[in-house]
Amino acid sequence: AQTVTQSQPEMSVQEAETVTLSCTYDTSESDYYLFWYKQPPSRQMILVIRQEAYKQQNATENRFSVNFQKAAKSFSLKISDSQLGDAAMYFCAYRSFDNYGQNFVFGPGTRLSVLP
Amino acid sequence: KAGVTQTPRYLIKTRGQQVTLSCSPISGHRSVSWYQQTPGQGLQFLFEYFSETQRNKGNFPGRFSGRQFSNSRSEMNVSTLELGDSALYLCASSLQGYEHEQYFGPGTRLTVT
Repeated sequence: AQTVTQSQPEMSVQEAETVTLSCTYDTSESDYYLFWYKQPPSRQMILVIRQEAYKQQNATENRFSVNFQKAAKSFSLKISDSQLGDAAMYFCAYRSFDNYGQNFVFGPGTRLSVLP
Repeated sequence: KAGVTQTPRYLIKTRGQQVTLSCSPISGHRSVSWYQQTPGQGLQFLFEYFSETQRNKGNFPGRFSGRQFSNSRSEMNVSTLELGDSALYLCASSLQGYEHEQYFGPGTRLTVT
């Protein structure tokens, strides 16, 4: 079974600075999807960014970008120019490419605080 | 387009009772997944429904069940509630289920006393 690990339970960043959240995963599959979700205090989970494993190019979405290292099974999220609204729990998630087997597998989350 | 909605938002039940939670997916989405979120266990997958059929199931006891209606709305039922069932239950919908991201609802906070 796939597993997702986020080794940083909590992190903080100064407003306007850059922060990187770590995520590693374990799988025997060659094709899969990886996601970062954000869960603000309001509790609504929001998709931040996604990456298809077969794509070598790292995904970017405005101030959010990932560093996808397939061989190392690493998928870190970089937030540039951090804003107060970025404060939230961030979950790394894995999903199989095909539809047979387990659905999304989430990591335990990293709580990000943004300091003014 | 309206987002995923879940009702009720908050619920308090006593041990032994049963509860039904409801989820309305985004219009056009045919896949609905349910997750249990607790501080200790994090986000755990319960099950996924697609076109009224359960397509995937997580490792939860049979007290947890669900169904999906022809309009893609889904319900989740928990029978014989235990204190450990207290959690935030999240519903997520997607177009087909496996190829793209899921969109989450606000969740139902269930407290079992």
